[in-house]
Amino acid sequence: GDSVTQMEGPVTLSEEAFLTINCTYTATGYPSLFWYVQYPGEGLQLLLKATKADDKGSNKGFEATYRKETTSFHLEKGSVQVSDSAVYFCALTRYSGAGSYQLTFGKGTKLSVIP
Amino acid sequence: GAVVSQHPSWVICKSGTSVKIECRSLDFQATTMFWYRQFPKQSLMLMATSNEGSKATYEQGVEKDKFLINHASLTLSTLTVTSAHPEDSSFYICSAASRRNSNQPQHFGDGTRLSIL
Repeated sequence: GDSVTQMEGPVTLSEEAFLTINCTYTATGYPSLFWYVQYPGEGLQLLLKATKADDKGSNKGFEATYRKETTSFHLEKGSVQVSDSAVYFCALTRYSGAGSYQLTFGKGTKLSVIP
Repeated sequence: GAVVSQHPSWVICKSGTSVKIECRSLDFQATTMFWYRQFPKQSLMLMATSNEGSKATYEQGVEKDKFLINHASLTLSTLTVTSAHPEDSSFYICSAASRRNSNQPQHFGDGTRLSIL
């Protein structure tokens, strides 16, 4: 079945440091890929997405490129801020019937950015 | 963007109480709603998927008599934790999806923290 593997955290960085969170996936067909962010005590927010190979998703300075050859979707940001401290989830979709799609999540990576 | 409202955000109650959590899609028709459970420092575990007007599909290991799901309309789904016990304490998150939007498959609520004393 489908699966998503993320680098284990927690990750602690100083402000303005470069961030990479690795994500690889296993899936049949051509899934869409997503990064979600969860701030403390809140639900999930979509951060960025890519729907086909070589697509680059970007938002709020974060980027991730859909690499089919390496089945990866690594999240990067050039200069992190304290406000980026959160848990980041990599995910892919599969069709679950009745016109909707089911998400498969990685385990999440907690990022802490210190001033 | 699409908004999903989840209520209440925090519940504290005694063991044996039944607790209802509501999930509403505020500006789109949610043909499918999902209910997740999240343990501390862990990922989201899908509990069940419900399509409007039909019975929910539960994931393996989730007790359907314990976690009652109703999806009576295109904007509302409810999760009722029946006779809750301390081991049911967790963070419950709902999400909603529309057939018309497969590129962002689910919009998430802010979650409900359930604490059973």
